[in-house]
Amino acid sequence: AQSVTQPDIHITVSEGASLELRCNYSYGATPYLFWYVQSPGQGLQLLLKYFSGDTLVQGIKGFEAEFKRSQSSFNLRKPSVHWSDAAEYFCAALNAGGTSYGKLTFGQGTILTVHP
Amino acid sequence: EAGVVQSPRYKIIEKKQPVAFWCNPISGHNTLYWYLQNLGQGPELLIRYENEEAVDDSQLPKDRFSAERLKGVDSTLKIQPAELGDSAVYLCASSSYRDPDTQYFGPGTRLTVL
Repeated sequence: AQSVTQPDIHITVSEGASLELRCNYSYGATPYLFWYVQSPGQGLQLLLKYFSGDTLVQGIKGFEAEFKRSQSSFNLRKPSVHWSDAAEYFCAALNAGGTSYGKLTFGQGTILTVHP
Repeated sequence: EAGVVQSPRYKIIEKKQPVAFWCNPISGHNTLYWYLQNLGQGPELLIRYENEEAVDDSQLPKDRFSAERLKGVDSTLKIQPAELGDSAVYLCASSSYRDPDTQYFGPGTRLTVL
């Protein structure tokens, strides 16, 4: 079955420190991959996406993610975290074909806490 | 450009009561999605519309859930009757034919069933 796994439920970092959030996927073919962020009481905001091409993708708010086919991973990174980055982050994969086309499969999310 | 609009933002009802959620997608977006997000989990697709046609409703519990998108623009998701386990956030998303693989989400409706 297709799945997305975020191994870390909760991560705590200090403001200014670097950040890496992990995401692994299990799909028959390379899916389209996304990172979304959700602040409390808010909907999901798209940070970045990968469809094909350059495996390092840049997103909004200084985030980037790297697609590694050999590891089935799509980890999110930020070199210096700001207190406003505290939120929940979701990795997602899209069925780009077949009967479930358009269905986003989400990981369970990683809650990021930022200490001053 | 306005984002996806959902109302109400919060709803508290007694079990066995009906409830409805409304979504207005981004202008010009032909595809509309309803997702269910349980506490501590990622969203799960309930139904996807292409214009006014429901093209994937395989995950919609049809015994109590229904949805409509009569004119291919805004949509309503209904639960009748609501159960305690329906307490969750209901998210609406939309995408355009120009970029069909990118979905933009609304703020969601948080439902509490007592």
